[in-house]
Amino acid sequence: GNSVTQMEGPVTLSEEAFLTINCTYTATGYPSLFWYVQYPGEGLQLLLKATKADDKGSNKGFEATYRKETTSFHLEKGSVQVSDSAVYFCALSRDTDKLIFGTGTRLQVFP
Amino acid sequence: NAGVTQTPKFRVLKTGQSMTLLCAQDMNHEYMYWYRQDPGMGLRLIHYSVGEGTTAKGEVPDGYNVSRLKKQNFLLGLESAAPSQTSVYFCASRRTTGDGREQYFGPGTRLTVT
Repeated sequence: GNSVTQMEGPVTLSEEAFLTINCTYTATGYPSLFWYVQYPGEGLQLLLKATKADDKGSNKGFEATYRKETTSFHLEKGSVQVSDSAVYFCALSRDTDKLIFGTGTRLQVFP
Repeated sequence: NAGVTQTPKFRVLKTGQSMTLLCAQDMNHEYMYWYRQDPGMGLRLIHYSVGEGTTAKGEVPDGYNVSRLKKQNFLLGLESAAPSQTSVYFCASRRTTGDGREQYFGPGTRLTVT
C-alpha cells in the first residue's frame, strides 16, 4: 500500500545551520507530495508541494524536489531560524480523496 | 474568511460520556476530513466526506460516528468515550479539484478522556 517514511526526530540545530529532513514514499503511479508544518499549539499548514516528478516545491526558504527514481521528497533549508522550530510532516496523495502522512519530524532551532 | 474552525478547543470527558466535535469551513469545499494525532503516529484518518450527505470510513473509524448534513459542517461524535480516544483531533477540508489536493486544517481540539 501507499506509505510515507520520515526520519525520526528531534532534529536539533543552531540558528543559520543547514537543514535536511528526509522523506521517502511508497506508492503506485505518480502521487502528489506535500510538506506540512505544525507550529506549537496550531493545526497543520501547507509548506510546499510537488505534483510531478522533478518538480521543486519552495516556500519561505524551504525546498523539496520530487525524485521519482529514489522515491524521495527531502526537505531542505539553507539557514534555519529559531522561528522554524516546529513539527514537519511529509505526505502523499495517490487517489483523489486522501492524504497519507508520515509520523512527523520535530525541529528545534537554538539561538 | 475564517477558513476551518473547530469547536471546542479543549474538552475533558469521563469514560462512557458522549460528545460531538464541530468542524466548520467557509471556503465552499466539497471534501472534509477528521483526523486524530497521537505522539509518534502522525495523523490518522478517522472519517471523511466527499460531499454533503456523504461519509466514508478512514483508517481508524471505530468508536466514532460522523454526519455531514450541511456542506460547510462536519460533525464527529463519540457515543461512549474511552481513554484510548484521548488525542488531538483535527478537521480539514479541500476543493474537489485544483490546489494539487491541498487540505486546509483547523486549529485542533484537545480531548482528554479520564
